[in-house]
Amino acid sequence: EVQLVESGGGLVQPGGSLRLSCAASGFTFSSYAMHWVRQAPGKGLECVSIISPNGGSTYYANSVKGRFTISRDNSKNTVCLQMGSLRVEDMAVYYCARWNYAGGMDVWGQGTTVTVSS
Amino acid sequence: EIVLTQSPATLSLSPGERATLSCRASQSVSNYLAWYQQKPGQAPRLLMYDASNRATGIPARFSGSGSGTDFTLTISSLGPEDFAVYYCQQRSNWPYTFGQGTKLEIK
Repeated sequence: EVQLVESGGGLVQPGGSLRLSCAASGFTFSSYAMHWVRQAPGKGLECVSIISPNGGSTYYANSVKGRFTISRDNSKNTVCLQMGSLRVEDMAVYYCARWNYAGGMDVWGQGTTVTVSS
Repeated sequence: EIVLTQSPATLSLSPGERATLSCRASQSVSNYLAWYQQKPGQAPRLLMYDASNRATGIPARFSGSGSGTDFTLTISSLGPEDFAVYYCQQRSNWPYTFGQGTKLEIK
């Protein structure tokens, strides 16, 4: 079964750090680019970051550039999002998603919740 | 950054009716537009990619059209499971932006 499972969410104070992980199974992980997408409470979807299949290329939303780092380990079928200098506005459900080069995010995890509060 | 504007914000229809959802881009995205469905408490699900291609397992009652700046998602006959929030997303330029969503609710 093709599956993505996120972990690492939780409560963090403003200015703090958190590392999210996404474990992939059921497909050739190293063949796909991977996204992190977030959804603030009651809001829409925002693409946070994308990483190429070999990890050589990464892109970030302006809202997180310089604070978040995406990485992947193809030997472990995992993609991570290291989040630093967290702000209240970073509070959201964070999803990892597989990028299908046909043109969409075709596999999603269940999401992990990040709460930023003092 | 390309802005996607979806209309209407909320669409109230009855099962069996036809739904037409719109997505307008602030600049041309060619046909690089996808549609997603999201139900409460669930992750989004890919419905359409490259404007008019149904994703795997998506019923034929869903169809997409458009190119450039104007796109439409049509659901020909609404089933009870179709009431959800729908998002469009462009992949023409990074960041890959989403529209703000259209909530399809039961009338």
